[in-house]
Amino acid sequence: DGGITQSPKYLFRKEGQNVTLSCEQNLNHDAMYWYRQDPGQGLRLIYYSQIVNDFQKGDIAEGYSVSREKKESFPLTVTSAQKNPTAFYLCASSTYGGQTTQYFGPGTRLTVL
Amino acid sequence: GESVGLHLPTLSVQEGDNSIINCAYSNSASDYFIWYKQESGKGPQFIIDIRSNMDKRQGQRVTVLLNKTVKHLSLQIAATQPGDSAVYFCAEIVNNDMRFGAGTRLTVKP
Repeated sequence: DGGITQSPKYLFRKEGQNVTLSCEQNLNHDAMYWYRQDPGQGLRLIYYSQIVNDFQKGDIAEGYSVSREKKESFPLTVTSAQKNPTAFYLCASSTYGGQTTQYFGPGTRLTVL
Repeated sequence: GESVGLHLPTLSVQEGDNSIINCAYSNSASDYFIWYKQESGKGPQFIIDIRSNMDKRQGQRVTVLLNKTVKHLSLQIAATQPGDSAVYFCAEIVNNDMRFGAGTRLTVKP
């Protein structure tokens, strides 16, 4: 099966803790993205990467960090600096950046206790 | 249509009827548009796309119409089924950036 996987599906975090969300794809896509989705709002871009070992900040990067050591993997760390981290996090990938369709993973719902 | 806020626009249709979901965009330089379907608690699924040099594109039971004059995009779903119940949102790509609308919640009544 080809696709994008995210884990875990649900994640609970205590205030002050860092947590890392996993995103893996076996589509051989070059570009990968992280979005945050809040109720009633459009997706907001956190970080994106168009190639291994390179990534750029999106619109709401503060309090988040990423790495892209492998083409298949783009983990997102939600740090304690993120003041309102409770949200649904979506990872996406595309063949390359720009005018290509992004395909999404199933999402991770993060709740801060 | 699209809006940003706590409450999504909603559309309720009877099973078997046709559905039309609308999206307005503001940037006349947008050159690629995509419709996604998102079921509760799941990631968005690609439905259909259209480039700005087209005004209509058809898929299986879905049609996307693009009116560049008024910057309007619509998704038509024929013979709507209960499994079509979801949030539908459009995305536009302009200058290699993808921007998403908040979505419209479609409810199909049996």
